[in-house]
Amino acid sequence: DAKTTQPTSMDCAEGRAANLPCNHSTISGNEYVYWYRQIHSQGPQYIIHGLKNNETNEMASLIITEDRKSSTLILPHATLRDTAVYYCIVRVRRNDYKLSFGAGTTVTVRA
Amino acid sequence: GAVVSQHPSWVICKSGTSVKIECRSLDFQATTMFWYRQFPKQSLMLMATSNEGSKATYEQGVEKDKFLINHASLTLSTLTVTSAHPEDSSFYICSAGDRGTEAFFGQGTRLTVV
Repeated sequence: DAKTTQPTSMDCAEGRAANLPCNHSTISGNEYVYWYRQIHSQGPQYIIHGLKNNETNEMASLIITEDRKSSTLILPHATLRDTAVYYCIVRVRRNDYKLSFGAGTTVTVRA
Repeated sequence: GAVVSQHPSWVICKSGTSVKIECRSLDFQATTMFWYRQFPKQSLMLMATSNEGSKATYEQGVEKDKFLINHASLTLSTLTVTSAHPEDSSFYICSAGDRGTEAFFGQGTRLTVV
């Protein structure tokens, strides 16, 4: 699975959009970009994934650059409950569900 | 959506005793489940892959005799920390996936060995 690079931490204001970047310059053609988040003292929660097209669901939007070397997770209206560690993971989509977690980005939403 | 449940959420045990943590897939069958460990301020580290009806596969550096994994049914995997010591205190998390979905995680178990 390709390596990802994320900022260590970021703050954002409640009610504003939070844009979380992820670099994955060595991504292969069949690797997807996944995002999970972990609220303090809880198990990780799946957010969204994509291959090359932009994706949106009820939680967030995922924007993948045309060369697929980077992506941005967008939380459209951040709330205090979005404070968490966000993990960007690149992997081939397969049914073994084994994930390799990096350090992630600690996002703090401030009132 | 798929639900994975862990029990207990937290446990305190004395040094030298054993602790069993359960991981259940509530609305789907999982032939494979995964166990992770997370120390404070660190990321999740995969410990082992639990395989229904066969032996677990352990990651390098994880002692299989200390962390016993049993996956006797398609909805239940258990992790037993044997002869626990304070350095085993950690947050243990399991995960599983349903065909066609993504990985889902349990709520985690906070183990404190005193």
